[in-house]
Amino acid sequence: QITLKESGPTLVKPTQTLTLTCTFSGFSLSTSGVAVAWIRQPPGKALEWLALVNWIDDKRYSPSLNTRLTITKDTSKNQVVLTMTNMDPVDTATYYCAHRPRLLREFDFWGQGTLVTVSS
Amino acid sequence: EVVLTQSPGTLSLSPGERATLSCRASQSVSSSHLAWYQQKPGQAPRLLIYGASIRATGIPDRFSGSASGTDFTLTISRLEPEDFAVYYCQQYGTSPETFGQGTKVEV
Repeated sequence: QITLKESGPTLVKPTQTLTLTCTFSGFSLSTSGVAVAWIRQPPGKALEWLALVNWIDDKRYSPSLNTRLTITKDTSKNQVVLTMTNMDPVDTATYYCAHRPRLLREFDFWGQGTLVTVSS
Repeated sequence: EVVLTQSPGTLSLSPGERATLSCRASQSVSSSHLAWYQQKPGQAPRLLIYGASIRATGIPDRFSGSASGTDFTLTISRLEPEDFAVYYCQQYGTSPETFGQGTKVEV
């Protein structure tokens, strides 16, 4: 049974750095082909792919947010951490982490999401 | 990046009717790398279809997907009350991965 759960602050101030943690179970990020991604969704809007890390620590980022994002994995803790610098109100969104079972595959399991509001 | 354009934005139908949702890619996308997700209010997206036409585990056979060039289609043969939701397509063959803007299927 694969599960993922996002955690982190619900409210951050503009210019602050957001740190979100995805804690997962039911799979290992050291298994060949496996990856975990972060996706966000502003209220009432579409999904936006942010970043991904795979089993060999290859990392990919959204080009539009590349300079602000860092994704890291801790295989021993079954966690993936996303940091986003210089937060702005437009970054208010529900942030999801999701599991990819193999290279070039879909996201088959998602966390419940965590709403992050950026406001002073 | 690959832009996915979904149409229509909103589809107003009744239970029992057939729903046809479109997702058009701005450039070539391998049909092996296209997925459809369903999202209900307050919930995370749920995988329906991957590889353009393969139903995910536990997905009823009233959901089907097809591909023709850069055009992808999700069909719901007979709408059930629980199918009224927002549907997103996603391509995962080219980085950055991208999602469409969604189609809302409403009563």
